[in-house]
Amino acid sequence: DQQVKQNSPSLSVQEGRISILNCDYTNSMFDYFLWYKKYPAEGPTFLISISSIKDKNEDGRFTVFLNKSAKHLSLHIVPSQPGDSAVYFCAAKGSQGNLIFGKGTKLSVKP
Amino acid sequence: DTGVSQNPRHKITKRGQNVTFRCDPISEHNRLYWYRQTLGQGPEFLTYFQNEAQLEKSRLLSDRFSAERPKGSFSTLEIQRTEQGDSAMYLCASSAPRVATNEKLFFGSGTQLSVL
Repeated sequence: DQQVKQNSPSLSVQEGRISILNCDYTNSMFDYFLWYKKYPAEGPTFLISISSIKDKNEDGRFTVFLNKSAKHLSLHIVPSQPGDSAVYFCAAKGSQGNLIFGKGTKLSVKP
Repeated sequence: DTGVSQNPRHKITKRGQNVTFRCDPISEHNRLYWYRQTLGQGPEFLTYFQNEAQLEKSRLLSDRFSAERPKGSFSTLEIQRTEQGDSAMYLCASSAPRVATNEKLFFGSGTQLSVL
């Protein structure tokens, strides 16, 4: 039973356009969400996070939106760059501080 | 380099052998986590330590798996009698929780285990 779901295994966008990665969760008790980026043969690296008391958090080209009523969050990257090509994981913080990850979405940004 | 360090980066072993991985967290971090990632999946939580105390273990952590953090610094993960299904990337992460609930985990580069 997956508590964090990323239903799109892959996404391809043109350089300079917007990338939108989506994530759904089932547990309404989750109060903190994070996005991680992962390159092959490396560990995930933190990208951006959001607390459940907010509906938006922005950091440069990256913006995360949270819709609590829909149990949905999304990551927007604009403008997308070829270096953004990676696997993006959505995660929710569990009760022990551990993170519960989705399966990831592979983003390809084409020049 | 003050990041999370994992050794070895790669391990190839034969089924039935024991393997041990090491993780050195960021020095001031008191929480340490082990995750496992297989192809097409996100990282799956295995266990976590606060200082030297192992506070939670996932049901994914069978009896063949044991983790230690003897002095609250580095940690080891041992897999006994390895099986082909143990082949995965084993990731270590550390964190330093603050008063606020927002915290992030810092991951190492992982140990890729292949069981033949």
